[in-house]
Amino acid sequence: DAKTTQPNSMESNEEEPVHLPCNHSTISGTDYIHWYRQLPSQGPEYVIHGLTSNVNNRMASLAIAEDRKSSTLILHRATLRDAAVYYCILRDPGYALNFGKGTSLLVTP
Amino acid sequence: EAEVAQSPRYKITEKSQAVAFWCDPISGHATLYWYRQILGQGPELLVQFQDESVVDDSQLPKDRFSAERLKGVDSTLKIQPAELGDSAMYLCASSRLAGGTGELFFGEGSRLTVL
Repeated sequence: DAKTTQPNSMESNEEEPVHLPCNHSTISGTDYIHWYRQLPSQGPEYVIHGLTSNVNNRMASLAIAEDRKSSTLILHRATLRDAAVYYCILRDPGYALNFGKGTSLLVTP
Repeated sequence: EAEVAQSPRYKITEKSQAVAFWCDPISGHATLYWYRQILGQGPELLVQFQDESVVDDSQLPKDRFSAERLKGVDSTLKIQPAELGDSAMYLCASSRLAGGTGELFFGEGSRLTVL
């Protein structure tokens, strides 16, 4: 399985933008880049995914490097409710998600 | 909004006892997953079902763990006998599509403590 590398933790101020980086230098051509997050005491929830082009949805934006070896999840305006562990996952279609340790995001008022 | 239902939410058991977890996926979701999450780590896949068939159980410790999805709807994960190292959160997830990049929906999990 192609692996991802994420910082263990990051900190942000409330109402500021947050850029969560992910490196995946061994990504294959069929791997989609998925982001999930896990709030305390809850199961993971889907955030966003993409293949080659940048993607936007109501929760976040995903910026994918041209060579696809890295990506960045962008939360445009962090709130206290965004404090969670964020997982960057490479997924071959049809296969299950393989989670790493993720990035623990702390949001301070 | 439809959710993945899991029970029990919490289970405390003694070493060598049997324990079972139940999952009811979102209606119409063909694919069901069981994950185990040890505190401080990301979820680890145990087993993946497509309808009633096992697609991947390569990470399931088959000497003590079993999983079934008899009618292709709800599913049960059993541990017998439980060991101290089995203390973890057991998460169930489902997705609508068999293949593709469909979103996984997770339940709230069942937290197991083995004494």
